[in-house]
Amino acid sequence: EVQLVESGGGLVQPGGSLRLSCAASGFTFSSYDMHWVRQATGKGLEWVSAIGTAGDTYYPDSVKGRFTISRENAKNSLYLQMNSLRAGDTAVYYCARDSDGRWYFDLWGRGTLVTVSS
Amino acid sequence: DIQMTQSPSSLSASVGDRVTITCRASQSISKFLHWYQQKPGKAPKGLIYAASSLQSGVPSRFSGSGSGTDFTLTISSLQPEDFATYYCQQSYSTPPITFGGGTKVEIK
Repeated sequence: EVQLVESGGGLVQPGGSLRLSCAASGFTFSSYDMHWVRQATGKGLEWVSAIGTAGDTYYPDSVKGRFTISRENAKNSLYLQMNSLRAGDTAVYYCARDSDGRWYFDLWGRGTLVTVSS
Repeated sequence: DIQMTQSPSSLSASVGDRVTITCRASQSISKFLHWYQQKPGKAPKGLIYAASSLQSGVPSRFSGSGSGTDFTLTISSLQPEDFATYYCQQSYSTPPITFGGGTKVEIK
């Protein structure tokens, strides 16, 4: 089955760190650009990061310097290292597959909840 | 950054109605516009890419049109399973990717 499964979410204090993982299956993971997208409760979607097949990475200003996206093709896995977390980073984090480099997401995981609170 | 504005933010409709949702970009984005559907408690699902191309498996009652700054998502005959929130997203100027604020389609 073609799917993405996120893990690693939880409760973390402001200023803390967390590492999210996304396990891919059912497709050739190494051939696809991958992204993280987040959604605060009751709010809209916000793109968080992207990584190309060659390992090139992209971030919006809101997380640049704090978040790091990476991938391990041998393990069919995507990661998001989140440092210096803030209350505003509280959200469900989705892993998403890019369709043919269009920066359109044709496959999404179920998401993992990150809560930043003291 | 390119701003995406959806209208309306919510609408009420009946099964069988024709529904149109609009998305406007703050500058021309050619046809680099995509649509998603999200049901409560679920992940978003891709519907349409490049303004008018239907993702595989999506019912043909969904269609998209537009180019430049103005785009529409149309549901030709609303079905019970279509009640959800719909988002547009641009990929003309990346990074960053930007999404519209969403349109919630509710049952009348």
